[in-house]
Amino acid sequence: QVQLVQSGAEVKKPGSSVKVSCKASGGTFSSYTISWVRQAPGQGLEWMGRIIPILGIANYAQKFQGRVTITADKSTSTAYMELSSLRSEDTAVYYCATGFQQFDYWGQGTLVTVSS
Amino acid sequence: EIVLTQSPGTLSLSPGERATLSCRASQSVSSSYLAWYQQKPGQAPRLLIYGASSRATGIPDRFSGSGSGTDFTLTISRLEPEDFAVYYCQQYGSSPPPYTFGQGTKLEIK
Repeated sequence: QVQLVQSGAEVKKPGSSVKVSCKASGGTFSSYTISWVRQAPGQGLEWMGRIIPILGIANYAQKFQGRVTITADKSTSTAYMELSSLRSEDTAVYYCATGFQQFDYWGQGTLVTVSS
Repeated sequence: EIVLTQSPGTLSLSPGERATLSCRASQSVSSSYLAWYQQKPGQAPRLLIYGASSRATGIPDRFSGSGSGTDFTLTISRLEPEDFAVYYCQQYGSSPPPYTFGQGTKLEIK
């Protein structure tokens, strides 16, 4: 069974960047598709982008193009999501999840708070 | 972009009752690519149903999914206390973005 463990909560200033990690175990990391999904307080789920580590290819939702970068380190089975130019509306829980057509396994979530 | 609209927004039922949740898509969705998730407060979503009707590993058989084209349904045959949560549908498709979610249905105890 795949397990995804994310980094801890972050508090950031508007205009700064945040980088969240997601370490995978229990499967073959390179064969995963890893997506990032966020959830603002009291709101629904929003897909941000994904990476296929074996291909090294990432693609992003248009809403986040130019502000988000998703990378993967196969040597440590860890995926990363970096979001730049943070604003208050980016305050949310950020989840990593594996799966191609659907999201089979999820990380525990990382709360990112953007506040001056 | 394919928009998924879930109804009702909130469903109030009692344990033992049957729950029927709807997910309607703005364009036809391949049945292979429609999934349902359960989310409890403070927890990550959990996959319940994939391919519109296949239960994920460990999901009780009181959960079932059905539908095709633009109309999909999640049914919980007899509600248990632990089933009260928020439920989301999700589709995967070729048009960007590849993944979209419905806005969720909150299933609450009556």
